[in-house]
Amino acid sequence: NAGVTQTPKFQVLKTGQSMTLQCAQDMNHEYMSWYRQDPGMGLRLIHYSVGAGITDQGEVPNGYNVSRSTTEDFPLRLLSAAPSQTSVYFCASSYTPSRGRNEQFFGPGTRLTVL
Amino acid sequence: GNSVTQMEGPVTLSEEAFLTINCTYTATGYPSLFWYVQYPGEGLQLLLKATKADDKGSNKGFEATYRKETTSFHLEKGSVQVSDSAVYFCALVKNSGGSNYKLTFGKGTLLTVNP
Repeated sequence: NAGVTQTPKFQVLKTGQSMTLQCAQDMNHEYMSWYRQDPGMGLRLIHYSVGAGITDQGEVPNGYNVSRSTTEDFPLRLLSAAPSQTSVYFCASSYTPSRGRNEQFFGPGTRLTVL
Repeated sequence: GNSVTQMEGPVTLSEEAFLTINCTYTATGYPSLFWYVQYPGEGLQLLLKATKADDKGSNKGFEATYRKETTSFHLEKGSVQVSDSAVYFCALVKNSGGSNYKLTFGKGTLLTVNP
């Protein structure tokens, strides 16, 4: 198993550009989510999905879109990048708690800089 | 809403010293509790977890006990090594079903162990 994979590892954007951060998992997890990590802030939830075709907002959704067309993939789209979106982005996945195994597995992260 | 408070860092110890990182939480019901570790330049890895009151999670010499009466989940290790240098995150997830399995993180504690 590759676990949770993310691409790219690093990205530099100019203000106003758009891009998609890719996330994929091969563990057949129902639940997937995106977090951003900023110094002194811990990790904050951006969007999450409880299964294919179902997504919902987390704490800090503004400026980001997601979709979940398959169980495996959960891309995060930045619509018009802003310097405030400079951060490290982590994708995570897990089974749903009803299956008794609710620990989340994280990808290696994407370090994004917006100039 | 849910919240996690962990001790501010950074924490600097000598090799073989005793480690405690305090974590307290606020949540209704019976959340599951986790400690994640993030080594430099990497994503988060699950270190240990506990799913009900009085459970003790343990892994790699680290331990934490789910204390419902004090709403705490303090991380301890009897003898730290240089390789334990990392950022440690306390987190919780509610198990009340539906979409209530979003991880809530503390802000992280940076641990540096010197030889």
